[in-house]
Amino acid sequence: SQTIHQWPATLVQPVGSPLSLECTVEGTSNPNLYWYRQAAGRGLQLLFYSVGIGQISSEVPQNLSASRPQDRQFILSSKKLLLSDSGFYLCAWGDWNTGELFFGEGSRLTVL
Amino acid sequence: AQTVTQSQPEMSVQEAETVTLSCTYDTSESDYYLFWYKQPPSRQMILVIRQEAYKQQNATENRFSVNFQKAAKSFSLKISDSQLGDAAMYFCASNAGGTSYGKLTFGQGTILTVHP
Repeated sequence: SQTIHQWPATLVQPVGSPLSLECTVEGTSNPNLYWYRQAAGRGLQLLFYSVGIGQISSEVPQNLSASRPQDRQFILSSKKLLLSDSGFYLCAWGDWNTGELFFGEGSRLTVL
Repeated sequence: AQTVTQSQPEMSVQEAETVTLSCTYDTSESDYYLFWYKQPPSRQMILVIRQEAYKQQNATENRFSVNFQKAAKSFSLKISDSQLGDAAMYFCASNAGGTSYGKLTFGQGTILTVHP
């Protein structure tokens, strides 16, 4: 069966510092991968998605970037964090047959 | 573009009772899916139920069922025989079919409290 993992689970970073959140998927090949962000008390917003290695699409302009160096690895990065980058970040992979998204455990980022 | 609206920020229900969570959506797509996701305190999103827009029959998963009114663009979730473990934030979401299948638009969520 497919599993998806994210790390770190919790991160506290100062403004201006870099960021790297990692996501890996097991049990499936060539998955479509997604990064969503959930601000406090709000719904999820799609940030990036990737249909294959090196292919990244951005949904909203922002201070973040994404990369897909391997088929089952998806990374969310920033060179300089802003206070507004705080939130709960969720990685997901999509099942083409059902349209369902399977989410990782999430990474909580606090920028101080 | 798609929009999803959940008009109930919070709902509560007594254990073993039934509760209905509301959701309306707007889309110009002819082929789309609708979902209800549950986010418990652990924060991991879990799919509760899904509905394909072309299917007229309402989806059902054990104690969870939906009332899908396509013309009214309404997609409510009914939880029967509520259990303490149902307490969570519930999100309604939609996506377009085809190659956009993973690009979900989420509502703001409804916090469900279950009282013993």
